[in-house]
Amino acid sequence: DAGVTQSPTHLIKTRGQQVTLRCSPKSGHDTVSWYQQALGQGPQFIFQYYEEEERQRGNFPDRFSGHQFPNYSSELNVNALLLGDSALYLCASSPLAGQADTQYFGPGTRLTVL
Amino acid sequence: QKEVEQDPGPLSVPEGAIVSLNCTYSNSAFQYFMWYRQYSRKGPELLMYTYSSGNKEDGRFTAQVDKSSKYISLFIRDSQPSDSATYLCATTTSGTYKYIFGTGTRLKVLA
Repeated sequence: DAGVTQSPTHLIKTRGQQVTLRCSPKSGHDTVSWYQQALGQGPQFIFQYYEEEERQRGNFPDRFSGHQFPNYSSELNVNALLLGDSALYLCASSPLAGQADTQYFGPGTRLTVL
Repeated sequence: QKEVEQDPGPLSVPEGAIVSLNCTYSNSAFQYFMWYRQYSRKGPELLMYTYSSGNKEDGRFTAQVDKSSKYISLFIRDSQPSDSATYLCATTTSGTYKYIFGTGTRLKVLA
């Protein structure tokens, strides 16, 4: 049973560019959340997608946007990259809407902004 | 004040020791409490979760929640070098979907 998968593994971009990160949830999961983890910090919630809609959003600017596809996979887009966007971006999937205690994380995409 | 506070460590212990990892939180509305293990350059792995107060045991791991003092703990018995990782506590409430994480405690178990 494949777990949560993310691509790419690593990414290097320059300031002002745009980036798209991808996530496939664990089999049987329909909800996807995205987190940003800066070095030495805990993950920070960006947003969650359920039924192809953004259900809840954390304290991140509009430069961060997302999408969920009918097969439950998801994309995170970041526009106008800043140096401070350098971080590990984590995707987490959950099996059922409302089950707050079951978020399973993928390996992450490490984004470096130069 | 952060919603979840966690000592970043590092915490170094000899192999076989009992490890105690702790977090405090500020919002009494938090109901679900999770512990994740994160190896270097990997994603967090769910270890334990508890709902409301009480203890939960799984093998060498015991999670404990004391809602009266807003204090959560993870105990690791017979610690092994393979337990060396960063341990993240997280919490959330029913009806919301975001987890609030601590900064993580870096644990080193010395052989």
